[in-house]
Amino acid sequence: SQTIHQWPATLVQPVGSPLSLECTVEGTSNPNLYWYRQAAGRGLQLLFYSVGIGQISSEVPQNLSASRPQDRQFILSSKKLLLSDSGFYLCAWMGTPRTGELFFGEGSRLTVL
Amino acid sequence: GIQVEQSPPDLILQEGANSTLRCNFSDSVNNLQWFHQNPWGQLINLFYIPSGTKQNGRLSATTVATERYSLLYISSSQTTDSGVYFCAVLNTNAGKSTFGDGTTLTVKP
Repeated sequence: SQTIHQWPATLVQPVGSPLSLECTVEGTSNPNLYWYRQAAGRGLQLLFYSVGIGQISSEVPQNLSASRPQDRQFILSSKKLLLSDSGFYLCAWMGTPRTGELFFGEGSRLTVL
Repeated sequence: GIQVEQSPPDLILQEGANSTLRCNFSDSVNNLQWFHQNPWGQLINLFYIPSGTKQNGRLSATTVATERYSLLYISSSQTTDSGVYFCAVLNTNAGKSTFGDGTTLTVKP
């Protein structure tokens, strides 16, 4: 069966420090992958999505970037964190692009101080 | 892009009560999902329901695609039902899902 994992689960970082969140999917090949962010008490905002290795689409101009170095690996990065980058980051994969069913990882909670 | 509106934004129930959550969307969609976000933040898939009606225990969902809405029914609510319920719709032409702002449900014992 397919599984999706994110790490780290919790992260506290100072302003100006770099960031790397990792997401991996097992049990499937060539999945569509997504990074969402959820600010406290708010809905989910799509940040990036990828339909294949090296293919990244950005939804919102911001301080973050994404990369997909391998088929089942999706990485969210920043060179210098801002206070506004704090939030809950969720990685998701799409079961079948035609049906569009999304499955989420456990999430990574980032606090920037 | 597609607009997704969920109502009500907040709902407080006594344990054992029933409730209906609504999701309206502004354009044709190929997929609709309901999720429950538990207190730890995890998003749990409840229903994949582009049209029709599905039931899973005390929960059921109905999507009327032609009228662009979906309903999530929770019967005999329990405190463990508390959390945020999200509706998400997909337009496969765009290749991505759009989420509503969620309904925050609190079930009191």
